[in-house]
Amino acid sequence: EAGVTQSPTHLIKTRGQQVTLRCSPISGHTSVYWYQQALGLGLQFLLWYDEGEERNRGNFPPRFSGRQFPNYSSELNVNALELEDSALYLCASSLIQGRYTEAFFGQGTRLTVV
Amino acid sequence: GNSVTQMEGPVTLSEEAFLTINCTYTATGYPSLFWYVQYPGEGLQLLLKATKADDKGSNKGFEATYRKETTSFHLEKGSVQVSDSAVYFCALKEGNNRLAFGKGNQVVVIP
Repeated sequence: EAGVTQSPTHLIKTRGQQVTLRCSPISGHTSVYWYQQALGLGLQFLLWYDEGEERNRGNFPPRFSGRQFPNYSSELNVNALELEDSALYLCASSLIQGRYTEAFFGQGTRLTVV
Repeated sequence: GNSVTQMEGPVTLSEEAFLTINCTYTATGYPSLFWYVQYPGEGLQLLLKATKADDKGSNKGFEATYRKETTSFHLEKGSVQVSDSAVYFCALKEGNNRLAFGKGNQVVVIP
């Protein structure tokens, strides 16, 4: 069974540009999460989508946005890129089952802003 | 709010040594607890988990016990291998389904 897949794997953008990252969850999973792993800042929660709706948002500015499609895949959009947006962006998926949800992560997209 | 604290700094040890990585948490209620591992250049892999007090998670020779009285979930392995070199993250699942992570510990195993 395929795991969580993310594309592209690496990306270089210029400050001020916009970028779109993509994530395909494990088949059957309805929830998708986005995390940012920036150097020195650890893993920070960005967004959670479930059944096509944004369910929760981390402490990031509005230029970070996303969506989830009917097939449960997801996009993360970052507008007006800043140098500090350089990071590994990780997507995870899970299936909501009561109180306990196990998240499976993709390999990540390495974004470099120059 | 909820938070996870891991011991500071990288951990360097020799092959077959005993590994302990400390993890303590602050949370309301009884969160689920996890250890994730990140090998160089890769994403996160779930290593083990525990969902209630006194549960012991185990996988690949690693163990961690959910200790409510000390709010801890320390990771242990009795005999590490070079292939265990990676970054290890402790995490808890909050009520809104987000994971709160510790800062991670780089583990380097020397042959």
